[in-house]
Amino acid sequence: GAGVSQSPRYKVTKRGQDVALRCDPISGHVSLYWYRQALGQGPEFLTYFNYEAQQDKSGLPNDRFSAERPEGSISTLTIQRTEQRDSAMYRCASSLEADEQFFGPGTRLTVL
Amino acid sequence: GQNIDQPTEMTATEGAIVQINCTYQTSGFNGLFWYQQHAGEAPTFLSYNVLDGLEEKGRFSSFLSRSKGYSYLLLKELQMKDSASYLCAVRVDYNAGNNRKLIWGLGTSLAVNP
Repeated sequence: GAGVSQSPRYKVTKRGQDVALRCDPISGHVSLYWYRQALGQGPEFLTYFNYEAQQDKSGLPNDRFSAERPEGSISTLTIQRTEQRDSAMYRCASSLEADEQFFGPGTRLTVL
Repeated sequence: GQNIDQPTEMTATEGAIVQINCTYQTSGFNGLFWYQQHAGEAPTFLSYNVLDGLEEKGRFSSFLSRSKGYSYLLLKELQMKDSASYLCAVRVDYNAGNNRKLIWGLGTSLAVNP
């Protein structure tokens, strides 16, 4: 695709519900990263993939968070039993291996 | 641990030059990136340094000193549209070089005044 896309752009959910955030990287990009970004802060690393393999999930806050990239392209970040503290901007980025990362527009998650 | 420091806020005047500094203490250093982020938008790539010295790209230049753990981003002929957050990010290799990721600073919010 022309750029990294994410959906939904905005998600409002009630506490306790599960949410799935989708990232569609630039075609051919090997690496895919998930970040969380609070207002006025830099991106906070969550996890990343090379192709379909999850290389590092050390940034996931707890076991309610999981991610997958089953075919080495589209990725889904899932948050189970959401809590208010999960409210944030979730960003996805992709890159050709070690090159610059291209970011998607993000998903603004609000947990009521 | 991995640590990146940059000033929280800076102010400059349209047409002037501004230098945004970044210092880092990381292991497995393999390059330093600068990104620009306008309010409400995604970060966009500005520059990349892996060797010591200055990289120039139009009005923007970036400098790296690996021995000092120091970089700066230089913006010349400032324009109002340059008002944004500037993020310093260090690429690190870890897990015996099998993994690679970016460690991000908190960003420097630059306000350009007329």
